[in-house]
Amino acid sequence: DAGITQSPRHKVTETGTPVTLRCHQTENHRYMYWYRQDPGHGLRLIHYSYGVKDTDKGEVSDGYSVSRSKTEDFLLTLESATSSQTSVYFCAISAGPMNTEAFFGQGTRLTVV
Amino acid sequence: QQQVKQSPQSLIVQKGGISIINCAYENTAFDYFPWYQQFPGKGPALLIAIRPDVSEKKEGRFTISFNKSAKQFSLHIMDSQPGDSATYFCAARKKGGSEKLVFGKGTKLTVNP
Repeated sequence: DAGITQSPRHKVTETGTPVTLRCHQTENHRYMYWYRQDPGHGLRLIHYSYGVKDTDKGEVSDGYSVSRSKTEDFLLTLESATSSQTSVYFCAISAGPMNTEAFFGQGTRLTVV
Repeated sequence: QQQVKQSPQSLIVQKGGISIINCAYENTAFDYFPWYQQFPGKGPALLIAIRPDVSEKKEGRFTISFNKSAKQFSLHIMDSQPGDSATYFCAARKKGGSEKLVFGKGTKLTVNP
């Protein structure tokens, strides 16, 4: 398995509270991504990063922010959690144009009550 | 707007049969088409991938067929086994697009013994 660690693996939080999910990689890959997976929707991109301090929005970015201060860490923050953000969140990494495979973490199951 | 349309949503096949999952896309800027396999509780993992300059790629029992003019590609699993029971996602990547993947909604495959 590629060296990707997501934490926490499970979390239950209350509506309105901020939540931060962490993705840590040991592969020194340039690109990192946050996806959410929901039944009937597949995997949808939230935010991605193409380098330290370089991030951009994906297709479902509202209510989420990210930060990448080091190559190995990519944080996803839910500013004020809502029930619609109950989901399974996956981090993925990719080396870049010459190496196309994206590797996924094990996922974080987040429940907002 | 769904960029990659995947069908069927679920598929039941008998052991030894052929499983076929189809995907269609609209954006001709896509240049890389992977299939991911996901087991319950795990992150997706790359199964097989193809670029649009070839019409078919085979790896063991898994084959991608690609029809550039129709903007369609499909995954064929020959001699399907119960261990192939998983959710399969097709995806596409836009060239020069920060390597991010756009996923279909997934197909849950069940192979009965």
